[in-house]
Amino acid sequence: QVQLVESGGGVVQPGRSLRLSCVASGFTFNDYGMHWVRQAPGKGLEWVAVVSYDGSHKFYADSVKGRFTFSRDNSKNTLYLQMNSLRAEDTAVYYCAKGDTTGYQGYFDYWGQGTLVTVSS
Amino acid sequence: QSVLTQPPSASGTPGQRVTISCSGRSSNIASNTVNWYQQLPGTAPKLLIYSNTQRPSGVPDRFSGSKSGTSASLAINGLQSEDEADYYCAAWDDSLSGVVFGGGTKLTVL
Repeated sequence: QVQLVESGGGVVQPGRSLRLSCVASGFTFNDYGMHWVRQAPGKGLEWVAVVSYDGSHKFYADSVKGRFTFSRDNSKNTLYLQMNSLRAEDTAVYYCAKGDTTGYQGYFDYWGQGTLVTVSS
Repeated sequence: QSVLTQPPSASGTPGQRVTISCSGRSSNIASNTVNWYQQLPGTAPKLLIYSNTQRPSGVPDRFSGSKSGTSASLAINGLQSEDEADYYCAAWDDSLSGVVFGGGTKLTVL
């Protein structure tokens, strides 16, 4: 069965960096685009970024562009979200989600359980 | 302010039919397919409807989706207590080059 397991969350001061990971299993990882979606406490879902199956195409939400970098290591079935210059408004549960295609559009057919990032001094 | 517009709340009694609307624009809903996600309290979101009208295996046929122009709707027939959750619509936006979500609708079963 498909499993997505995020890690790397925690408490970090404003302006500092954090790297999230997501390990995937149960499907052919390098056949699918992958996404990050976040949810601030008590708020709705916000899409963060997508990477295509081979890492050649990446798109980011305006709110994180230039600060976050999404990468994937297909040899390790792992995604990485490098988050720099963190702000209080980046506080959220971060979910990795599997896309339904090789590309960057489509829907999220599986989600991880999420990892909480808290940006606070 | 979300790009897609949903009512913040909806409610119904067991057995009733409830619909949740999702309004967008030409660059998202009109140009791309709409997907719906259900988030039960304290859990990760789950795919409920994809490609406007399709149900993943395991999703009861009480749930259905539709799309027309720049709007989409989720309908739940025969409402049950376990349907109490937050519901989100989403679509790719060609202008933003990203996925956009609705603000979410909290469904209460009275």
